[in-house]
Amino acid sequence: NAGVMQNPRHLVRRRGQEARLRCSPMKGHSHVYWYRQLPEEGLKFMVYLQKENIIDESGMPKERFSAEFPKEGPSILRIQQVVRGDSAAYFCASSPKDRQNTEAFFGQGTRLTVV
Amino acid sequence: GEDVEQSLFLSVREGDSSVINCTYTDSSSTYLYWYKQEPGAGLQLLTYIFSNMDMKQDQRLTVLLNKKDKHLSLRIADTQTGDSAIYFCAERPGGGNKLTFGTGTQLKVEL
Repeated sequence: NAGVMQNPRHLVRRRGQEARLRCSPMKGHSHVYWYRQLPEEGLKFMVYLQKENIIDESGMPKERFSAEFPKEGPSILRIQQVVRGDSAAYFCASSPKDRQNTEAFFGQGTRLTVV
Repeated sequence: GEDVEQSLFLSVREGDSSVINCTYTDSSSTYLYWYKQEPGAGLQLLTYIFSNMDMKQDQRLTVLLNKKDKHLSLRIADTQTGDSAIYFCAERPGGGNKLTFGTGTQLKVEL
C-alpha cells in the first residue's frame, strides 16, 4: 500500500505563472487535506476535501488559490499568478473515511520556489 | 493565544533521553499528535494520544499529557543519531477535521 504520493517534489515557477500541485491519497482514503509550511515554521491548514466536495477551505487565501478532488484522479492544488511569498512546502495528507478525525498520513511534500 | 508552542532546539548526547515539550491551546482537542520531519522529507506520524489518557508508551517513545495545563511531552529513550529531526506536536481543535501544528523542535543528537 503506497503512501500519500505528491508530485512534483520540487517546482520552480516565475512570478505570474501558475503552479499545479498533485496529491494521490493512500488507497482507500477518501479525505484529503492540504497544508502549507513556510520556511522555519510549522504547517498551516489550507483546505479539506472529500471526493468532489470542498468541506473546509477556511485556511485558503481568498485569491489565486483553488483546490479540487475530482471523482477520478488526484487532488490538485492550483496557485495562479504566483508571487515570491508563495514559496513554501505544500503537504498533502489523507485519512480513511471512518478515521478522518483520528489519523492523517502525510506525503513528502512539493517544494515550490517562485523566482 | 491560538499558537501551539514548542521550544525551537534541543541537543542531547547519543544514548541519553530526550524530552520535547509542547503547550497546546484548545481544551476540547480530542487527539494530540507527534510528527517527525527529517530534512527534505514529509511528516511521519510517530504517535498520538487520546485526550482522556495521561500517558502512552510505544517502544522508545513515551507521551505524557497534562490536560489541566494543556501540556504535552514526548520522551525518546536511548536517543540515536537517526532520531535527529524536527518534531512537531499537533492538536485537533474541537475534534474537528484539521490539525494545528506547533512550530517544531529541532532535535540534534551528538555523539
